[in-house]
Amino acid sequence: GESVGLHLPTLSVQEGDNSIINCAYSNSASDYFIWYKQESGKGPQFIIDIRSNMDKRQGQRVTVLLNKTVKHLSLQIAATQPGDSAVYFCAESGANSKLTFGKGITLSVRP
Amino acid sequence: DGGITQSPKYLFRKEGQNVTLSCEQNLNHDAMYWYRQDPGQGLRLIYYSQIVNDFQKGDIAEGYSVSREKKESFPLTVTSAQKNPTAFYLCASSITSGRARVEQFFGPGTRLTVL
Repeated sequence: GESVGLHLPTLSVQEGDNSIINCAYSNSASDYFIWYKQESGKGPQFIIDIRSNMDKRQGQRVTVLLNKTVKHLSLQIAATQPGDSAVYFCAESGANSKLTFGKGITLSVRP
Repeated sequence: DGGITQSPKYLFRKEGQNVTLSCEQNLNHDAMYWYRQDPGQGLRLIYYSQIVNDFQKGDIAEGYSVSREKKESFPLTVTSAQKNPTAFYLCASSITSGRARVEQFFGPGTRLTVL
C-alpha cells in the first residue's frame, strides 16, 4: 500500500555538525513533498517543500534532496543548533492533494 | 496576528461523553483538516474540508464528526463511538489551488484525555 517511512527513529548529532534525515516513500505518483518540524507539545511547523520536477531545493540552513528513481527524500540541516532538536516528519502528496505523513524521526543535538 | 487557533489546549472527557474541539483560522484559507497523532506516530487524517458546507472523510473518520458552516471554523466532535479517543489532535489549513500542491499550516493542537 501507499506509505511514507523514515529509516531511523532517532538521530543524535553534535552541535555544529550537519544533520541528514532520510525518508522513503512508496507512492510513485506522489509529486509534492514537505518536511515539517514538531517540537514537544506543539503543532508541526513547515520547514521546506519540493515538487517532483526538482531534485534539490535550498532554504536557510536546510536543503531537501529528492531522488525519484529510488523514491527517496532527505533533509539536510547545516551547522545543527540546539534549537533544531525536535521530531521531523516527511509528508507526500499525490493527485488527491491529501498529505500522507511518515512516523517521524527525533533529532537530538548534543552540546 | 494571523494563524490557526485551537482550544482548549488540554481536554479531559469521561468515557461515553461527546466532546467538541475548536479550530479557527484567520488566514483566509479555503481548506481545513483534522489530524490525530498518537505517541511515536505520524499524523493520520480524520476529516478535511475544501470549501464551506462540504467535507470528506479521511483515513480514520469512524467515531468523529465535523461541520464547516463558516470558512474560518472547522470544529471536530469526538463521539462516544470513538473507542480510543485519547490522542493529540491537530487542525491545519491551506489555500486551494486546483491541482497544485500546497503546504498546510498547523495549529498548536489539543490534547484529549479520556478518563
